[in-house]
Formats: sequence, C-alpha cells, structure tokens
Amino acid sequence: ETVMTQSPATLSVSPGERATLSCRASQSISSNLAWYQQKPGQAPRLLIYGASTRATGIPARFSGSGSGTEFTLTISSLQSEDFAVYYCQQYNNWSRTFGQGTKVEIK
Amino acid sequence: QVQLQQWGAGLLKPSETLSLTCAVYGGSFSGYYWSWIRQPPGKGLEWIGEINHSGSTNYNPSLKSRVTISLDTSRNQFSLKFTSVTAADTAVYYCARRPGAARQWYFDYWGQGTLVTVSS
Repeated sequence: ETVMTQSPATLSVSPGERATLSCRASQSISSNLAWYQQKPGQAPRLLIYGASTRATGIPARFSGSGSGTEFTLTISSLQSEDFAVYYCQQYNNWSRTFGQGTKVEIK
Repeated sequence: QVQLQQWGAGLLKPSETLSLTCAVYGGSFSGYYWSWIRQPPGKGLEWIGEINHSGSTNYNPSLKSRVTISLDTSRNQFSLKFTSVTAADTAVYYCARRPGAARQWYFDYWGQGTLVTVSS
C-alpha cells in the first residue's frame, strides 16, 4: 500500500498570505495525485487532479505541482473561505490512499 | 449539475449490517464509477469500493470480505452493504463519483455524507 504523508499537520496563515502544503508518497506515483478541500460538516471538494490540473470552477489561486514522490499545493493569497482541511490522494494503484490532512487555520 | 444524495440508517448495533443508498441526479450514470468512501470522526479518508454502470466492482482488499456494492440502473442509484459492523466502523460514509477513464481514480462529485454510529 502506498502511504501518503502530509505536512505540516496544521498551518497557521494570515489572510492574503501564501500557503504551501506538502504531500509525500512512500513510493513513486507519477502524477497520479489529487488534492481536496474539506470544511467542517461538508464533503471533500476536488481541487486538483493529475498533480497540477485544477478541477472545474476552482480559482486560479490554487495550484499544484510535483511528480514522483513529492507534491505541493499552493494557495497564493488566502481568502477567508480557504481555511479548511486539505487532503492529498494518490491514484497510481488500486489502493487509492489518502493523506491524513493539513489543517489551514487563521493566524 | 451532478448531485449525489445519500441515505441510510445512522445507528447500528455491533454485528448488524450497514446499508446505505446513493441516488445520482443531473448527469449520466454510465461512463463513470460510483464509489463509497468513509471517514472516522476526526480522521482521514478510506476508499471502500466502487461499481460501474455494468455492475463491475472493485473493493478495498482490507474490507472486501464484508462489503457488497450493488446498483439499480433504472433509478440511477447504487448501494453499500457492510456486514458484521463493530465500533471501528463508526464513520461518516460518503458516496462519490470518479471518471471512468483508465487511471482517473480521483473523485469529482460527492454526496453529503451519512454518519453511521455503531454502539451497543
């Protein structure tokens, strides 16, 4: 099973600042990585797939990069609605495992 | 606009069978895989399994012995049955859609979630 490790567990950022979230895979997953945003009491929302392709309707301030085992989600200028938990998910193999999440909170 | 609406029993006793159903509105049922994913309170997400419009299924190997996913194409619905539940199965259960193309195993639409609590 491919283990996905996200860091940091919690990220404190001021509105308008940049946030950089990391996700590491225990083995190479090529570019088969997605990012999701989850707010309290809501289902996850797809942000990025293919490591860097924004899903339909996702603002341009969200960007993804990386390949192999190291991936990054960047939010260029945090808006109030962006404070949430972010998950990465690999889909390079059948197990399609998720990371444990990074909580982005207001500093 | 695609919408997934799910329902099912929210409180079970140990050893009972969990049963949830998800209805798909506003989009094609064929050409996609329809999944179940769960999230224990305060924890991460775990993929349970999926089914396509032809009834072809794939399951998480760690859960496969207790899971059955089925579909009703006439109603654009799919269902999850999870046998012999324990407290460890307490979680929010989500239905979700993933593209049917090869290696597109991410989830682009989700249901609202159902909290299932297992307690004696």
